[in-house]
Amino acid sequence: NAGVMQNPRHLVRRRGQEARLRCSPMKGHSHVYWYRQLPEEGLKFMVYLQKENIIDESGMPKERFSAEFPKEGPSILRIQQVVRGDSAAYFCASSPVLGATNEKLFFGSGTQLSVL
Amino acid sequence: TQLLEQSPQFLSIQEGENLTVYCNSSSVFSSLQWYRQEPGEGPVLLVTVVTGGEVKKLKRLTFQFGDARKDSSLHITAAQPGDTGLYLCAATNTGNQFYFGTGTSLTVIP
Repeated sequence: NAGVMQNPRHLVRRRGQEARLRCSPMKGHSHVYWYRQLPEEGLKFMVYLQKENIIDESGMPKERFSAEFPKEGPSILRIQQVVRGDSAAYFCASSPVLGATNEKLFFGSGTQLSVL
Repeated sequence: TQLLEQSPQFLSIQEGENLTVYCNSSSVFSSLQWYRQEPGEGPVLLVTVVTGGEVKKLKRLTFQFGDARKDSSLHITAAQPGDTGLYLCAATNTGNQFYFGTGTSLTVIP
């Protein structure tokens, strides 16, 4: 009965490298959200995906960032050519069926990305 | 543009005191959630409110959804050090998008 699994927990990259963050949603959840958080701040929405579909990517920078949620396997948030400003905690959340009146998100423990 | 504003941003109180944090918006939402986040972990859901004027209690925590479904408050009675954390409100319309507030960082001093 695992919850949302994110890996790695900590990721260190040098400027210009690529960062790949993985998220496996809770069993039975087909909706995945990615958020970014800076210290002592709230969560900034990045992208919302369902299996094989990007539903809303309005919070994701147009360049260098991409996300996918394939039919098989985890959701991946990919950051190319990382810069120091990409350093942050990245959280993934999953949700069961939407449209009900008790929507809720279940979060992973996050990936702390540090860009040197 | 921040859709949900929380206040205060930081709060430091002594153990045993009461406190209230607020979540305000100019938009109407179908439901609103409160989450608590501890350092190094993801947010954990505390409660969901869906009806205007709704009040929910969770032990020493009382949550209220505004009559117009634009705002909410969280009241903690007799705060304890274990209540320390970042409190986040989040709201949704039609279930497609979850908007998070700016957060209130609470420290309860023993």
